[in-house]
Amino acid sequence: AQTVTQSQPEMSVQEAETVTLSCTYDTSESDYYLFWYKQPPSRQMILVIRQEAYKQQNATENRFSVNFQKAAKSFSLKISDSQLGDAAMYFCAYRRNTGNQFYFGTGTSLTVIP
Amino acid sequence: EAGVVQSPRYKIIEKKQPVAFWCNPISGHNTLYWYLQNLGQGPELLIRYENEEAVDDSQLPKDRFSAERLKGVDSTLKIQPAELGDSAVYLCASSVSGMGETQYFGPGTRLLVL
Repeated sequence: AQTVTQSQPEMSVQEAETVTLSCTYDTSESDYYLFWYKQPPSRQMILVIRQEAYKQQNATENRFSVNFQKAAKSFSLKISDSQLGDAAMYFCAYRRNTGNQFYFGTGTSLTVIP
Repeated sequence: EAGVVQSPRYKIIEKKQPVAFWCNPISGHNTLYWYLQNLGQGPELLIRYENEEAVDDSQLPKDRFSAERLKGVDSTLKIQPAELGDSAVYLCASSVSGMGETQYFGPGTRLLVL
C-alpha cells in the first residue's frame, strides 16, 4: 500500500526567507505522480505544484520548487522569498499512474513570521 | 471555469439527526471524490466515483453513511443518524480520468454535531 509521510507537523519561516517542507512516500511502482497542495485557513485546498515521476527535472512554479529524489522516495517543497500569504497547511500527495486514487500525508503547518 | 461547488458551507445539527451534503464537480470531470478531514489531519477518502459508479467505497461507514451520483455529475453524501464523532470537514474533489490528472477540491462543508 502506498503511504505518504510528512515528518514536520509544524514549520516556521521569516518573511522573505526560504523554507523546505519534507515528504517521503512508499511505493513499489515506477510511474506515479506527486503533488503539493496548500490549504489556507479558509479550507480551500489548492494545487501548488505537481511532479511526474518519469521526469528527472524538478518541477518549479514561480517561488515554489521541488527536490524530487526518486531513489530515496523523497519529494520536498521549497518556498523561496516566503510571503505572509504562504501561511497554510501543506499536504503532500501521491497518485498512482493507473487508477485515480490519491494518498495524502498528514500535513505541515507553515507559519510565516513578519 | 467554475470550480468544484459544495453546499452548505457550514452545518450544525444535533446528534441522531440526518444531514446531507451536495457537490457539483468541475464540468467534464468524471471522477468525483468525497473526503473526510479532521482538524489538523490530511483528507481521508470516503468514496470515489467514476461517472455514476462507486469504484472505491471501502472506507465509507455504510451503517450510517450513503452517497449517490445518479447521473454521473453532481453527488450527495448523507449521514443518518449523525454522531458526535462525525464533526469534521467534508471535502469534495474532482478530476478527469487519466494518467496523472490533477485533483481539484471544493471549499468543503464544515459539520458540527452537538
